[in-house]
Amino acid sequence: SAVISQKPSRDICQRGTSLTIQCQVDSQVTMMFWYRQQPGQSLTLIATANQGSEATYESGFVIDKFPISRPNLTFSTLTVSNMSPEDSSIYLCSVEDRGRGRGSYNEQFFGPGTRLTVL
Amino acid sequence: LAKTTQPISMDSYEGQEVNITCSHNNIATNDYITWYQQFPSQGPRFIIQGYKTKVTNEVASLFIPADRKSSTLSLPRVSLSDTAVYYCLVGAPNQGGKLIFGQGTELSVKP
Repeated sequence: SAVISQKPSRDICQRGTSLTIQCQVDSQVTMMFWYRQQPGQSLTLIATANQGSEATYESGFVIDKFPISRPNLTFSTLTVSNMSPEDSSIYLCSVEDRGRGRGSYNEQFFGPGTRLTVL
Repeated sequence: LAKTTQPISMDSYEGQEVNITCSHNNIATNDYITWYQQFPSQGPRFIIQGYKTKVTNEVASLFIPADRKSSTLSLPRVSLSDTAVYYCLVGAPNQGGKLIFGQGTELSVKP
């Protein structure tokens, strides 16, 4: 399976500041995704980040709040801007890498997540 | 995208077989059914995927009836390490790769 790392693994931030989360994959992948998982909740897709194009955001998420970069096929960043306590969540990146999975499609490999606490 | 409904939680004991049923009444013709497992402090992990009838791998079995409006994930002889949240997802190849997670089922395995 694809190996994904995220930095930082956790952080505690002050409200009004911004945090950039990095996601690194051990192989070149076309599709990368960013999710948010609030405490005790399921995962919610924030955006799809494909190399060479603007990220596509889901309803309720905007680029000004969650700017995303995808400079190459193995790396992406998500920035959580102007943070408030409501942004306290786990942020996960994932990739679809069909050649290394067992599913027919839509098999995604997830990073370990970044646990963000905003005070 | 088809919505899924699962029990919020289930309890089991070591050595038992666990069956988690997912309802997806509005499943479309092109949709596949996929299950993910998430341990605490980790990202979800793919378990199994199927379109119809039965699929089995080294981890689990997936049973899908002919009408495909539900599916059942079967975990044989669970152990404490199977304690996790299990998500049922339904989707088709033309979704652009997006995964829509429902609430999931929190399985607790006790000694």
